[in-house]
Amino acid sequence: DGGITQSPKYLFRKEGQNVTLSCEQNLNHDAMYWYRQDPGQGLRLIYYSQIVNDFQKGDIAEGYSVSREKKESFPLTVTSAQKNPTAFYLCASSTGTNTYEQYFGPGTRLTVT
Amino acid sequence: EDKVVQSPLSLVVHEGDTVTLNCSYEVTNFRSLLWYKQEKKAPTFLFMLTSSGIEKKSGRLSSILDKKELFSILNITATQTGDSAIYLCAVGRWGYSTLTFGKGTMLLVSP
Repeated sequence: DGGITQSPKYLFRKEGQNVTLSCEQNLNHDAMYWYRQDPGQGLRLIYYSQIVNDFQKGDIAEGYSVSREKKESFPLTVTSAQKNPTAFYLCASSTGTNTYEQYFGPGTRLTVT
Repeated sequence: EDKVVQSPLSLVVHEGDTVTLNCSYEVTNFRSLLWYKQEKKAPTFLFMLTSSGIEKKSGRLSSILDKKELFSILNITATQTGDSAIYLCAVGRWGYSTLTFGKGTMLLVSP
């Protein structure tokens, strides 16, 4: 079955620790995206990548980093520089430019205390 | 700056009611408007609209785009409790693979 997987579903961390969220897709999609969702805020774009070894900042990239070493994988690191990291994080993929339908993973809920 | 505004932000209706959700936008080089349904976790795709005045329909859900007035509506007829969800509107632009999302409308259908 083709799809997007994110792990873990729930993650708890102490303030000051970096944490990496996993996102894998087997849809053979070129483009991948990371969003953050807070209650009542819709989805805000953190980073996106249209091709392996290349990625761009989205609207709220500060305090986050990504890598795209393989087409299937787009991990997101939430660094200690992110002031309010507690949120629901969604990964998505699409076939690429001008193809707007994005497919979403199940999300990771990160709680930092 | 691109803007996508959804209204209302939340709505409670009784099973069997008809609801209309609104999405207005201000973006440069508009290409398409998409609707997603988010029940608990992953948003799932409902419709993509690119042409004005052409209704897209799937069962009890339908949507239409007005490119002159820069808005779209999503209609749900004969609502069921399973329609309870957040409905997200997003807009895509020519030459970009990214979408700009609105804040969503949280719909609760009570039995």
